[in-house]
Amino acid sequence: GQQVMQIPQYQHVQEGEDFTTYCNSSTTLSNIQWYKQRPGGHPVFLIQLVKSGEVKKQKRLTFQFGEAKKNSSLHITATQTTDVGTYFCAGRHSGYSTLTFGKGTMLLVSP
Amino acid sequence: GAGVSQSPSNKVTEKGKDVELRCDPISGHTALYWYRQSLGQGLEFLIYFQGNSAPDKSGLPSDRFSAERTGGSVSTLTIQRTQQEDSAVYLCASSLWTSGGAGEQYFGPGTRLTVT
Repeated sequence: GQQVMQIPQYQHVQEGEDFTTYCNSSTTLSNIQWYKQRPGGHPVFLIQLVKSGEVKKQKRLTFQFGEAKKNSSLHITATQTTDVGTYFCAGRHSGYSTLTFGKGTMLLVSP
Repeated sequence: GAGVSQSPSNKVTEKGKDVELRCDPISGHTALYWYRQSLGQGLEFLIYFQGNSAPDKSGLPSDRFSAERTGGSVSTLTIQRTQQEDSAVYLCASSLWTSGGAGEQYFGPGTRLTVT
């Protein structure tokens, strides 16, 4: 089946440090979405990227879609304790209707 | 309602019993998805409904799992003869359907299933 690999699995940072999570697919993605799941909560949509090389920003969060549309990244600048949670990427492979979720990156931020 | 709702929020059942989990999607959302999330794990796709099309059942782990969607709205996920490995949080999500495919997914709060 289609797979989306996400790394790292877990990261613990000090408040104020930067954080990046990466997603990679062996085949081309039509689009990729990013979700955040707070501890005890459910995934909440953050953003969707569609175009090759696309970069989108949401305050301290920067999302990138690779030129080949096979990889993506989420970068958080100057993390805050409110950023704690698990970040999932979800890619839609060309020719498929459903999303394939990565296993997520759990972010822990210490004050 | 304002969002996706699921019931029950928690379900404890004995091994071998059948369970039904319910999902009420956002009104107007034609796409509905079921996922399973085990503790500390990612989202495992189970089944997907889109409008009146035949559902995509490719993620169902065994024939003990089934789902239906009535009237294009409410969906029920049924697990027969539950096993301990079925213990997980079952998440439902709905989305609009666009020319580019499924849009952003709105998740319900989930049903935590514990099989004893």
